[in-house]
Amino acid sequence: DQQVKQNSPSLSVQEGRISILNCDYTNSMFDYFLWYKKYPAEGPTFLISISSIKDKNEDGRFTVFLNKSAKHLSLHIVPSQPGDSAVYFCAASYNTDKLIFGTGTRLQVFP
Amino acid sequence: DAGVIQSPRHEVTEMGQEVTLRCKPISGHNSLFWYRQTMMRGLELLIYFNNNVPIDDSGMPEDRFSAKMPNASFSTLKIQPSEPRDSAVYFCASSLFGGGNSPLHFGNGTRLTVT
Repeated sequence: DQQVKQNSPSLSVQEGRISILNCDYTNSMFDYFLWYKKYPAEGPTFLISISSIKDKNEDGRFTVFLNKSAKHLSLHIVPSQPGDSAVYFCAASYNTDKLIFGTGTRLQVFP
Repeated sequence: DAGVIQSPRHEVTEMGQEVTLRCKPISGHNSLFWYRQTMMRGLELLIYFNNNVPIDDSGMPEDRFSAKMPNASFSTLKIQPSEPRDSAVYFCASSLFGGGNSPLHFGNGTRLTVT
């Protein structure tokens, strides 16, 4: 059973526009959410996180929004750049050391 | 800091053979995780250790899989016997305090192909 779901396997966005990556979860006990970015032939790297007590966290061009009632998480990238082209993984955890990942969304930013 | 180091980067083996994947976590990190990446399931947690002790191995798919952490600087994931469906990229990750509030640092993975 997939507790963290990324229903869009891919997304294509023009450079300079906004990229919005979505993530849904089923476990209401999750209390911490993270986004990771992965380039080919490399391991995922941490991008941004948010605690369940917040609904927004911003870091430069990256903003994560959390809607607990909808069990929905989104990552906004503004403006998108070609170097943002990668696979983005949503992840969640609850009161343990476990981090549960989604299946990933491949973002392509074209000129 | 060299980061998490995994070896080998690529492994090609025949069905039925034993495979051993190796990981050196970041020095000072107390938690170590093994993940497997597939197209269908994304990043699956196989097992994780805290202070060298296995905490949760519920993600280990079968008895053919085993993992050890004999000391704070080394861990292995063994598959015996290997099967074609084990083909995937296997990642090792470490963190200071665990996977929740302490972000994971991943190695570059081992791409396993079982023919």
